[in-house]
Amino acid sequence: ELKVEQNPLFLSMQEGKNYTIYCNYSTTSDRLYWYRQDPGKSLESLFVLLSNGAVKQEGRLMASLDTKARLSTLHITAAVHDLSATYFCAVGDPGTYKYIFGTGTRLKVLA
Amino acid sequence: SQTIHQWPATLVQPVGSPLSLECTVEGTSNPNLYWYRQAAGRGLQLLFYSVGIGQISSEVPQNLSASRPQDRQFILSSKKLLLSDSGFYLCAWSRGRDDSSQFFGPGTRLTVL
Repeated sequence: ELKVEQNPLFLSMQEGKNYTIYCNYSTTSDRLYWYRQDPGKSLESLFVLLSNGAVKQEGRLMASLDTKARLSTLHITAAVHDLSATYFCAVGDPGTYKYIFGTGTRLKVLA
Repeated sequence: SQTIHQWPATLVQPVGSPLSLECTVEGTSNPNLYWYRQAAGRGLQLLFYSVGIGQISSEVPQNLSASRPQDRQFILSSKKLLLSDSGFYLCAWSRGRDDSSQFFGPGTRLTVL
């Protein structure tokens, strides 16, 4: 059974600082997705990573995938308050159309 | 462009009452459709998914059911709600390809009293 773990679960950081969120998964997959959820809102797709070594960047966020280590990272550069949200990673379950979600990382950027 | 609708946006129901939540997708054909539930401050629990009309896969045994009467319509139902059914219900769609991300609807917030 595919399991997905994120850490940390909660992250409070100062504006201007850098930090990384980690997403580990238990079985081989080459489909990894990152989403953002604002409080009380739905999920918004951020990144799609489909191969080993894939790297995607959008503004202050950069996501990468290491399929051999079964690890994806979401790196935040020079955080700003607008990045405060909950971030989820999801892994495509091999042989199915299911997406298995991590527990989420609640990020709070302090001014 | 594609859009996904859910209704109602919020719902307050007594224990033991029935439930029907609807989700429709526009601007695409033959999407994969999903129902998730999110408890307050928690992650997403996959409830059902469908890869075609009339095809439903259930992930969690419970008092909920799903149906897909049309290509772009997905319905979540219950005959008798439990307190534990409270949560944020999210419908999502993806293209029927391995490389597709999911796109989520605005959600329905259900409170069972």
